Amino acid sequence: GQQLNQSPQSMFIQEGEDVSMNCTSSSIFNTWLWYKQEPGEGPVLLIALYKAGELTSNGRLTAQFGITRKDSFLNISASIPSDVGIYFCAGLNYGGSQGNLIFGKGTKLSVKP
Amino acid sequence: GAVVSQHPSWVICKSGTSVKIECRSLDFQATTMFWYRQFPKQSLMLMATSNEGSKATYEQGVEKDKFLINHASLTLSTLTVTSAHPEDSSFYICRAGQKQYFGPGTRLTVT
Repeated sequence: GQQLNQSPQSMFIQEGEDVSMNCTSSSIFNTWLWYKQEPGEGPVLLIALYKAGELTSNGRLTAQFGITRKDSFLNISASIPSDVGIYFCAGLNYGGSQGNLIFGKGTKLSVKP
Repeated sequence: GAVVSQHPSWVICKSGTSVKIECRSLDFQATTMFWYRQFPKQSLMLMATSNEGSKATYEQGVEKDKFLINHASLTLSTLTVTSAHPEDSSFYICRAGQKQYFGPGTRLTVT
């Protein structure tokens, strides 16, 4: 089945630093999504990417849908303590009745004030 | 934006009892809802797809007789964990429709 490789697994950074994480897949997706999850809560959608090559920003967050449709990256600029959490990438293929999201294993971000 | 709610947010039950978890789409209709389970420090794993007016579709390895799903309306799906055991303790999260929004999750602890 489809699998996503997300890296790095965890990051420990200083406040103000930039962060970059990425996901790669063995197969293509129609949509790439990036979520943030905090303890005890459901994932919150950060950015959705719908077209190969698309580059989208949401405040300090920037994500790109790889041109091959097999990868995506998420950048966070000028990190702040509230950026702490687990970031998940997810690939989605619409079609049939599934619309299943395939998740990466997550990147745990820790920010030191 | 779209809002998905879950109830309860957390529940503790004894082994052998059943627990029902609700997932509601608050400002849109959802013919399809998805149920996920997440163990500590792990990613989300799809359990089943809930289809309004028809039977749910379960992922391989998920017991349909243990995890009963009812999608009775376009805004409500329920997941019932029957005869719960400690190994069923987990974080259960729903996603509504083709939108990419998740509910806040339900923490189930079976003692």
